[in-house]
Amino acid sequence: DIQMTQSPSSLSASVGDRVTITCRASQSISTYLNWYQQRPGKAPKLLISAASSLQSGVPGRFSGSGSGTDFSLTITSLQLEDFATYSCQQSYNTPLTFGQGTRLEI
Amino acid sequence: QVQLQESGPGLVKPSQTLSLTCTVSGGSISNTIYYWTWLRQPAGKGLEWIGRVSTTGITNYNPALKSRLIVSIDTSKGQFSLSLSSVTAEDTAVYYCASWVIGARYFDHWGQGNLVTVSS
Repeated sequence: DIQMTQSPSSLSASVGDRVTITCRASQSISTYLNWYQQRPGKAPKLLISAASSLQSGVPGRFSGSGSGTDFSLTITSLQLEDFATYSCQQSYNTPLTFGQGTRLEI
Repeated sequence: QVQLQESGPGLVKPSQTLSLTCTVSGGSISNTIYYWTWLRQPAGKGLEWIGRVSTTGITNYNPALKSRLIVSIDTSKGQFSLSLSSVTAEDTAVYYCASWVIGARYFDHWGQGNLVTVSS
């Protein structure tokens, strides 16, 4: 199985800040990497696919980058609604695997 | 807009079988762009991919669960199902059904989640 490791596990920030979350795969996955946002008690929501492709309707302050084993999700100018948990997921092969999540807190 | 809804018991006794159903609406379960998928998330932990079924009934399972797992599809009812046998407390989690877009390789729609607790 491909292990996905996110850092940090939690992050404190303020409205207007810029934050970056990283995700590392245990082997090369090219750009087969998705990012999801999950609010408490809710299902995940797809933000970015193929490492850097922003989904329709997702604000432009979200961006993704990386390839191979190292990836990042950046949120510029944090808004209140951005405080949530973010998870990466590899789509390279099965079993599909996720990072443990990064909790973004005020 | 595809919508998914999980249904099933919230409490299962140890050693018994956990059974959940996902009903697909707003779109056809026979749409071949999708694999219909089950995932779970223990409290405070990351998501775990359980397994999936194609519109023709072909399945792929997580090797860690494969010996206890059956995922099936009933296209006439617009439903797919999960059966996990010999459950223990470690199977306690929120269970989600989701649609996996085969070509694009991502989950685009999710159910709201169904908390299943394994306890006597």
